Amino acid sequence: NAGVTQTPKFRVLKTGQSMTLLCAQDMNHEYMYWYRQDPGMGLRLIHYSVGEGTTAKGEVPDGYNVSRLKKQNFLLGLESAAPSQTSVYFCASSYRTSGTSYNEQFFGPGTRLTVL
Amino acid sequence: QQPVQSPQAVILREGEDAVINCSSSKALYSVHWYRQKHGEAPVFLMILLKGGEQKGHEKISASFNEKKQQSSLYLTASQLSYSGTYFCGTDRSGAGSYQLTFGKGTKLSVIP
Repeated sequence: NAGVTQTPKFRVLKTGQSMTLLCAQDMNHEYMYWYRQDPGMGLRLIHYSVGEGTTAKGEVPDGYNVSRLKKQNFLLGLESAAPSQTSVYFCASSYRTSGTSYNEQFFGPGTRLTVL
Repeated sequence: QQPVQSPQAVILREGEDAVINCSSSKALYSVHWYRQKHGEAPVFLMILLKGGEQKGHEKISASFNEKKQQSSLYLTASQLSYSGTYFCGTDRSGAGSYQLTFGKGTKLSVIP
């Protein structure tokens, strides 16, 4: 199993450009998440999904959109990139057992995005 | 609102012990601990639930004081491999793993 994979690993954008980050997991997990990590700030939840076709806003959703058309994929879109979106982006997934969601999250390797 | 972690950083010699604390100003349903090595993804350590249930690695020790909204991670007989940044994630809604608010992290360095 590959676990959680992210594409691309690195990307440099100019202000105003758009891009999509792809997250894929092969563990048949119901839940998927997008986080951003900035120096000294820890992990902040951008959006999450509790199942195919459903998404919800997290702590810092402004400037991002997401889609989960297939259970194994979770896409994060930046429609008009800004320098404030320079960050490392992590995708994660977790499973549901017996109706609960208190399970570990499995993280992808991250995408380092720089917006000039 | 982010939980507060203390200390922000700590340096240990191999074999020494350390305690990392995580405090919230709001009531908590669960606390989740992760470790991240430099340039890598966070890795799960433990979940502590209200009522005393714990899920995680047997070699990791932690506590959760529901009344004080605090959790502590105990690292005993530290090894070089323990080095990294430790994050606590707090669940204030009862939603579980999918609405965690992470602290800013505690950087642990273990030296020979």
